[in-house]
Amino acid sequence: SYELTQPPSVSVSPGQTARITCSGDALPKQYAYWYQQKPGQAPVLVIYKDSERPSGIPERFSGSSSGTTVTLTISGVQAEDEADYYCQSADSSGTYRKWVFGGGTKLTVL
Amino acid sequence: EVQLVESGGGLVQPGGSLRLSCAASGFTFSSYEMNWVRQAPGKGLEWVSYISSSGSTIYYADSVKGRFTISRDNAKNSLYLQMNSLRAEDTAVYYCARVSFSGSYYDYWGQGTLVTVSS
Repeated sequence: SYELTQPPSVSVSPGQTARITCSGDALPKQYAYWYQQKPGQAPVLVIYKDSERPSGIPERFSGSSSGTTVTLTISGVQAEDEADYYCQSADSSGTYRKWVFGGGTKLTVL
Repeated sequence: EVQLVESGGGLVQPGGSLRLSCAASGFTFSSYEMNWVRQAPGKGLEWVSYISSSGSTIYYADSVKGRFTISRDNAKNSLYLQMNSLRAEDTAVYYCARVSFSGSYYDYWGQGTLVTVSS
């Protein structure tokens, strides 16, 4: 089955760089997407197609891909970036299509 | 402004049924694929179901196949999720989400509606 694996938690101090990884065997063939979710709120897209940033998302958010791992990088972390982050991809094999999420990573700003 | 507003959540007994609705506005609803995504309390996101823009193609996660039915009414700009034979593990916030034109991802989400399955 198609799975995406994320670390449960990442902690950084303000101003440092946070890196959140997402691993999956299908990632070399499928794009990955990243969402930020703050408590009590709906998820918000922060990166699409591995490394593209939607309008309105700060430049400190970036994405990259290498083999079976994609990485969300937050440069110069701010207190407001504390949230849960989810990677997502899609399995479009054959006649079936499904969306897959990683388990989520809680980013703590110390 | 794109808006997705879910409704219909609530408390239901195991084995019961519930119908969720998602009212869309601010975009041409009939042009977009839509999904339902859920999140159990304190847990991660889980894809539930997909429907194409016309409603002719539908997919379900294995966890809900045979129990849930997704549908849409493009004349009413509305998305639905009929949930039958509900189980405790279906307890979650249910989000409707719009699939972007440019890829298999969600560019807009509703605020969610809570479904609690408990006796």
